[in-house]
Amino acid sequence: DTEVTQTPKHLVMGMTNKKSLKCEQHMGHRAMYWYKQKAKKPPELMFVYSYEKLSINESVPSRFSPECPNSSLLNLHLHALQPEDSALYLCASSQDQSRGGQGWTQYFGPGTRLLVL
Amino acid sequence: AQKITQTQPGMFVQEKEAVTLDCTYDTSDPSYGLFWYKQPSSGEMIFLIYQGSYDQQNATEGRYSLNFQKARKSANLVISASQLGDSAMYFCAMRGTPYGGSQGNLIFGKGTKLSVKP
Repeated sequence: DTEVTQTPKHLVMGMTNKKSLKCEQHMGHRAMYWYKQKAKKPPELMFVYSYEKLSINESVPSRFSPECPNSSLLNLHLHALQPEDSALYLCASSQDQSRGGQGWTQYFGPGTRLLVL
Repeated sequence: AQKITQTQPGMFVQEKEAVTLDCTYDTSDPSYGLFWYKQPSSGEMIFLIYQGSYDQQNATEGRYSLNFQKARKSANLVISASQLGDSAMYFCAMRGTPYGGSQGNLIFGKGTKLSVKP
């Protein structure tokens, strides 16, 4: 069983709605990630948090707003999304963004399938 | 620039047979890690196996092994005794040092869709 959980599993929202995706990990990891994945494509990195601070923002539109309330939780707040934002959103965690070797391994949650109408 | 190449968009294998999924990479970082992930149709990315650039031996995890040929910059995944549950998309990924070209991010290949036939 994965130790990274994500809620909800599925989300349908209109372009004027505000919603949030939640991610939680129980492995004591200090780096957490948000990815966006379109069908039949590899995941694309959106944000990286390291020790609860945003360390990487891959030029993501401001309608996506990440938040890391503590070392175990990661949220992605959604507002005024477009239909092209429909995708699978994956959360991942790793021991530490800088630690090498197996510490680099990212463990993913089951994802949230988002549909924007 | 760092790059991962998976040249097999789709593959078929008979149940109980072995299969090799190809992956080549390009990097100028001396220290890097190579990963394989499995993604079933449910969507979850499942970590399978890791190989470090300085590891002398090929990594193995149960039915999975990584054929690491550093000089050829290849990191092929071998699945022995295929099972129906192995049908999924498989991604090869690489991570370099945080101060290298990838900034420590995972770089994924385009994936190979494996179908296991009964």
